[in-house]
Amino acid sequence: AQSVAQPEDQVKVAEGNPLTVKCTYSVSGNPYLFWYVQYPNRGLQFLLKYITGDNLVKGSYGFEAEFNKSQTSFHLKKPSALVSDSALYFCAVRDTSSNDYKLSFGAGTTVTVRA
Amino acid sequence: KAGVTQTPRYLIKTRGQQVTLSCSPISGHRSVSWYQQTPGQGLQFLFEYFSETQRNKGNFPGRFSGRQFSNSRSEMNVSTLELGDSALYLCASSLAGRVSGNTIYFGEGSWLTVV
Repeated sequence: AQSVAQPEDQVKVAEGNPLTVKCTYSVSGNPYLFWYVQYPNRGLQFLLKYITGDNLVKGSYGFEAEFNKSQTSFHLKKPSALVSDSALYFCAVRDTSSNDYKLSFGAGTTVTVRA
Repeated sequence: KAGVTQTPRYLIKTRGQQVTLSCSPISGHRSVSWYQQTPGQGLQFLFEYFSETQRNKGNFPGRFSGRQFSNSRSEMNVSTLELGDSALYLCASSLAGRVSGNTIYFGEGSWLTVV
């Protein structure tokens, strides 16, 4: 079975400050990990993914995420947040050992960046 | 390159009616999956199709069905609509090998309201 936990429903930061959105996962095999962002009344927009290799993954709009196998975490980070980063963020996992062709999503974290 | 296209974007149906939602994947993508998003349940996997075959189905009643055509376009159908079916239905596509780290790209979704 595969699952994702996003322990924070909301994250609030000031513009220019670092932003971190937390994600932990559970899989039987190895994980493929993804981050998506959703703006109001829109679909999910892909930010970045970890498949294999370098634990630090860089993605769109200045976001990056660090894969930590020992802590089963894949936290999303941005060094300097913008007001336009305010949105709903989802972490997702796919278990490489599973025959399920699906992503399991976390509950989402609402990010608010204040000016 | 055009993204995942979903139609209609918004629709209102009455309890007991049925609805068909359409999805055109990114050109060259052969895997199409569907997700339901609600405030209470979050993002839940409905089903996934590859080369016109359903490879996976989520934990939804038989009222929810789908199909994929030879051009990879997909439709999902919900029969005997219930109020609880009101949701954002998201279609996603990917290149998708067997166990794949290919990125899954989402459409803008179809907002279904059941009254």
